[in-house]
Amino acid sequence: DVKVTQSSRYLVKRTGEKVFLECVQDMDHENMFWYRQDPGLGLRLIYFSYDVKMKEKGDIPEGYSVSREKKERFSLILESASTNQTSMYLCASSLSFRDTEAFFGQGTRLTVV
Amino acid sequence: DAKTTQPTSMDCAEGRAANLPCNHSTISGNEYVYWYRQIHSQGPQYIIHGLKNNETNEMASLIITEDRKSSTLILPHATLRDTAVYYCIVRVFGNEKLTFGTGTRLTIIP
Repeated sequence: DVKVTQSSRYLVKRTGEKVFLECVQDMDHENMFWYRQDPGLGLRLIYFSYDVKMKEKGDIPEGYSVSREKKERFSLILESASTNQTSMYLCASSLSFRDTEAFFGQGTRLTVV
Repeated sequence: DAKTTQPTSMDCAEGRAANLPCNHSTISGNEYVYWYRQIHSQGPQYIIHGLKNNETNEMASLIITEDRKSSTLILPHATLRDTAVYYCIVRVFGNEKLTFGTGTRLTIIP
């Protein structure tokens, strides 16, 4: 089975801190994604990557950056965390350009205080 | 990608078929219909996808109207474990981006 693992289930950070959310997949997938999920807004795409060192902005990239140095790992970076970035963050991966399914991690609930 | 419209919530009795509608009236010829669901405290899970023919797998059936402007996900014998938020997504073949809306919250009632 495909496994997408997010490094933390719960995280509490202070305003202004630099925050790293890590995601690792074990199925050699080309594509990786970061979403945030907020009540009433559904899942919104922040960034995605279709290859190592390649990235594309999603619908809400402001305040975030990403890094993909290795195929299996995709990091989401909050350069200076703010309280409006308190949210559930979900990482996903998918095989390639074919219309295959995306596999999601369990999510990281980030609270910025 | 085309926009989708789903009811906010639905109830279904346990053991009955759950029929979840989705409207995608602006769908274009190269866009597929995907369904995912998200059980509480978990990440979304793929269910099924299709282009224009009806599709069935071990989890569900997908019925797409002939004009492709709407579709219905059918869970044939709903169980309590099917209580989840169900997302209907339209996506261009080969487009890596997967955009979710707010989905339908399905509650299975004992």
